[in-house]
Amino acid sequence: DGGITQSPKYLFRKEGQNVTLSCEQNLNHDAMYWYRQDPGQGLRLIYYSQIVNDFQKGDIAEGYSVSREKKESFPLTVTSAQKNPTAFYLCASSIAGRQETQYFGPGTRLLVL
Amino acid sequence: GQQLNQSPQSMFIQEGEDVSMNCTSSSIFNTWLWYKQEPGEGPVLLIALYKAGELTSNGRLTAQFGITRKDSFLNISASIPSDVGIYFCAGQGLAGTASKLTFGTGTRLQVTL
Repeated sequence: DGGITQSPKYLFRKEGQNVTLSCEQNLNHDAMYWYRQDPGQGLRLIYYSQIVNDFQKGDIAEGYSVSREKKESFPLTVTSAQKNPTAFYLCASSIAGRQETQYFGPGTRLLVL
Repeated sequence: GQQLNQSPQSMFIQEGEDVSMNCTSSSIFNTWLWYKQEPGEGPVLLIALYKAGELTSNGRLTAQFGITRKDSFLNISASIPSDVGIYFCAGQGLAGTASKLTFGTGTRLQVTL
């Protein structure tokens, strides 16, 4: 079955630690996205990638980094520079330019110890 | 980054009632999308709208693309308990912003028996 997997479901970060969230898709989509969701707010775009080896900052990229070495994978690193990392992180993918095809993963909840 | 204004923020209704929610923007959008999110999961696409004035249904759900292209509406008829969740609108902008979506702040729906 085609879809998006995110791991882990829950992740705990200590102060000053970098953590990496995994996102894998087998939908053959060119575009991939990372969103952050906080209670009572909509989804805010962190980074997006339209094609392998290329990515752009979204609205709230500070304190985050990504890579896109493979079409299927778009890992997100939450760095120690992100001072308020506690949130629900959602990965999505789509056919490039076709936002109505955007398909979301199940999410990773990041908590700070 | 821009977020869409979505109202109401939350609704508590009885099973069988009809529901209406709307989304407004200061910018014109080419595509409007409506998603539903259940707790701990990623959003799932309900309806996609592609042109001004368009009215589209998906079962008990009906959505409309506003004539001004700056708003959209979602109606749910004869609500049932499984309609519980957060409903998000999202818009795809014009060239230059077409590669990403802007999301609303969400409407939380609770259905009582």
